[in-house]
Amino acid sequence: RKEVEQDPGPFNVPEGATVAFNCTYSNSASQSFFWYRQDCRKEPKLLMSVYSSGNEDGRFTAQLNRASQYISLLIRDSKLSDSATYLCVVNQGGYNKLIFGAGTRLAVHP
Amino acid sequence: EAQVTQNPRYLITVTGKKLTVTCSQNMNHEYMSWYRQDPGLGLRQIYYSMNVEVTDKGDVPEGYKVSRKEKRNFPLILESPSPNQTSLYFCASSLLAQGGYGYTFGSGTRLTVV
Repeated sequence: RKEVEQDPGPFNVPEGATVAFNCTYSNSASQSFFWYRQDCRKEPKLLMSVYSSGNEDGRFTAQLNRASQYISLLIRDSKLSDSATYLCVVNQGGYNKLIFGAGTRLAVHP
Repeated sequence: EAQVTQNPRYLITVTGKKLTVTCSQNMNHEYMSWYRQDPGLGLRQIYYSMNVEVTDKGDVPEGYKVSRKEKRNFPLILESPSPNQTSLYFCASSLLAQGGYGYTFGSGTRLTVV
């Protein structure tokens, strides 16, 4: 079983749509959680950290469910510029090693 | 500008010819790491360094070497590259070696070994 699992997509949505991505992780000792965004052939960039109480940054909302070992990302009012691959990332504690999911591809069309 | 700089961006080489990919960060970060990214497999850690002269293997270290003689530099060395090392490589750094800090990535090096 992969340590971090994501639906690879692609998710094809029209502009203005709301889209949700899910991610599960296998290690219950995981301590820190992130969503990264990666544009085609470019480096991953930190989108947001994910906190136990859930957190929001503009159109983006992240949720964490420790009991189910599940992380989600909700994007509201999708823009063309949101088209990218979204990586679910987990830190298992100890030294700062991040475990990356394989990513979910989002394509927003006009 | 705070950044992680990798060179070269693109490299085509032949099997067995030693090469080095450089990585430098200007943020005084303690932790540095190398990842490779392959389709369907995501990012996998090759080596990491928790500080100067402290390095250790990640999940896929075979065929690679690293060194950390200075805090800012963390080169990746392929002593005898093989075609299965064709991949997209990223260097990353993080403020501290412990705890859940996000990474800053370099722009990537696309390596082809023929």
